[in-house]
Amino acid sequence: DGGITQSPKYLFRKEGQNVTLSCEQNLNHDAMYWYRQDPGQGLRLIYYSQIVNDFQKGDIAEGYSVSREKKESFPLTVTSAQKNPTAFYLCASSYGGGQPQHFGDGTRLSIL
Amino acid sequence: AQSVSQHNHHVILSEAASLELGCNYSYGGTVNLFWYVQYPGQHLQLLLKYFSGDPLVKGIKGFEAEFIKSKFSFNLRKPSVQWSDTAEYFCAVTRNSGYALNFGKGTSLLVTP
Repeated sequence: DGGITQSPKYLFRKEGQNVTLSCEQNLNHDAMYWYRQDPGQGLRLIYYSQIVNDFQKGDIAEGYSVSREKKESFPLTVTSAQKNPTAFYLCASSYGGGQPQHFGDGTRLSIL
Repeated sequence: AQSVSQHNHHVILSEAASLELGCNYSYGGTVNLFWYVQYPGQHLQLLLKYFSGDPLVKGIKGFEAEFIKSKFSFNLRKPSVQWSDTAEYFCAVTRNSGYALNFGKGTSLLVTP
């Protein structure tokens, strides 16, 4: 089945550490996205990538970094500069701009 | 700033009641509109979308939404809800070919037997 795989499902981080969240898709989508979901806040866009080797900042990019070396993969690194990293992180993909986005199951990040 | 507003944060209905969830946006120009649903323990999935044409669009599981351009609204409706409709519902908007999807804060729906 085609879809989006996010791993791990749960992730714990010590303060001061960088952590990387994985997102892989086999839908042959060109565009990929990272969102952060907090209770009562909806989803907020962190970064998105229209094509390989290209990405743009979303509304809340500070403290995060991404790479897009392969079409299928769009990992997100939560750096120590992110002051409030505890959240639910969702990865999505789409064929292109303005198109419906398909979402993964998410990764829940917690600070120890 | 561009925004998406969902009027109801928490809604509780009895089975068979009718549902209407409000969504307004502040974008100018041509937009693509979406409703997503997140059932407990499941990933976010598309309920319905509007790109152009008939402003009344039908989605999965008996849901429909009406785009009213003059009111910048895209309200979600269902004539008779079921217990299985308990979920969180998100309205989302993007410019016609834009990548950035702007989400509302969501509405949590609880349907009681």
